[in-house]
Amino acid sequence: GESVGLHLPTLSVQEGDNSIINCAYSNSASDYFIWYKQESGKGPQFIIDIRSNMDKRQGQRVTVLLNKTVKHLSLQIAATQPGDSAVYFCAEKDTGRRALTFGSGTRLQVQP
Amino acid sequence: GAGVSQSPSNKVTEKGKDVELRCDPISGHTALYWYRQSLGQGLEFLIYFQGNSAPDKSGLPSDRFSAERTGGSVSTLTIQRTQQEDSAVYLCASTAGGGGWETQYFGPGTRLLVL
Repeated sequence: GESVGLHLPTLSVQEGDNSIINCAYSNSASDYFIWYKQESGKGPQFIIDIRSNMDKRQGQRVTVLLNKTVKHLSLQIAATQPGDSAVYFCAEKDTGRRALTFGSGTRLQVQP
Repeated sequence: GAGVSQSPSNKVTEKGKDVELRCDPISGHTALYWYRQSLGQGLEFLIYFQGNSAPDKSGLPSDRFSAERTGGSVSTLTIQRTQQEDSAVYLCASTAGGGGWETQYFGPGTRLLVL
């Protein structure tokens, strides 16, 4: 079976409900944040990003909120669908690096 | 190409053997990254290439790991004398430039199993 996420925290929601996935980061020099979705057997897929000079950004059915004071990032998915079931990773980049630092991920399970 | 491609998709090898993993970035993308994803973990940065600049190798876990990028396009990650702890999914990503805020587009990964 797929090796990603065997020991990940899991969020279970009902289809049609809103989902909120949270992420804490520790690097105060981080200036760019991204949410990725990873389905079984696939590479991470970009969802939405936000720069540190913003505190909110909206996409299609998704919203990212950034609270730099408490170093917290969240992803809100509206009207969650079964196709949203996946592992979600937050990632950050600080001003001195090009590479991303990834969180450990949260598994989202959408119940029909 | 339409996206980042990687080969092989799966690789099983015996401890002590060398392996080569290949990444074809999106056409025109100048930056290329290698990451490793171990069981139940997030992604761990390995190495970064940007144009003709010297690569950032700060994430390579040991001198058994090396990578090269020929002609500014295709990259090969080589693991020598593989160990069981090298078993992981190896992911490649590319971006259009080096400004720092470009989205990294990932390939499907190579699943490496060292027996």
